[in-house]
Amino acid sequence: EVQLVESGGGLIQPGGSLRLSCAASGFTVSSLYMSWVRQAPGKGLEWVSVIHIDGSTYQADSVKGRFAISRDNSKNTLYLQMSSLRVEDTAMYYCARERGENSGHPFDYWGQGTLVTVSS
Amino acid sequence: SYVLTQPPSVSVAPGKTASITCGGNNIRSKVVHWYQQKPGQAPVVVIYYDSGRPSGIPERISGSNSGNTATLTISRVEAGDEADYYCQVWDSSSDHWVFGGGTKLTVL
Repeated sequence: EVQLVESGGGLIQPGGSLRLSCAASGFTVSSLYMSWVRQAPGKGLEWVSVIHIDGSTYQADSVKGRFAISRDNSKNTLYLQMSSLRVEDTAMYYCARERGENSGHPFDYWGQGTLVTVSS
Repeated sequence: SYVLTQPPSVSVAPGKTASITCGGNNIRSKVVHWYQQKPGQAPVVVIYYDSGRPSGIPERISGSNSGNTATLTISRVEAGDEADYYCQVWDSSSDHWVFGGGTKLTVL
């Protein structure tokens, strides 16, 4: 059974750093494209970052230079390293698996999300 | 960057048909996926590749994509269909995923 379990969220001051984790089971994270998606309270979905099978990564303009996606194949875990956090980064952060082995496939599995609150 | 535009809300009576639009420049050239999100839950894909239905999604939910508008259609609407719906495309020119702003479907 495919499962994605996020962790690492919490309350952090502006300017701080946080690393989110997404532990996967039932498949290998390195075999598919994986993304992070966030949702601010009461707002819509915002794509954050993707890591491709070949390890290449892409980020939304809103987080470029501050957030970095990575994975640990030995732990079958996806990460999101967040730095220089801003109040507007406050959101529920979801990891999601893409259905195929190249770009453009739907997100067929999502985690339950981990809440990041940036506040002084 | 590519922009997807959805109406903020759509209301429909039970048993009627709801249509949720997703507008984008020449969106017909892109593949559209649709997600349903209920309060406190993660999104679930209900339509993929413009009009495909994942297993477990009822046939009364359908999708289409033409010109500058993709449409999610829910026939014989039920109370359980009340949720937020999001369209999504992959923008190959920027290697970015793009979500529409979301539409809240209210069943009257």
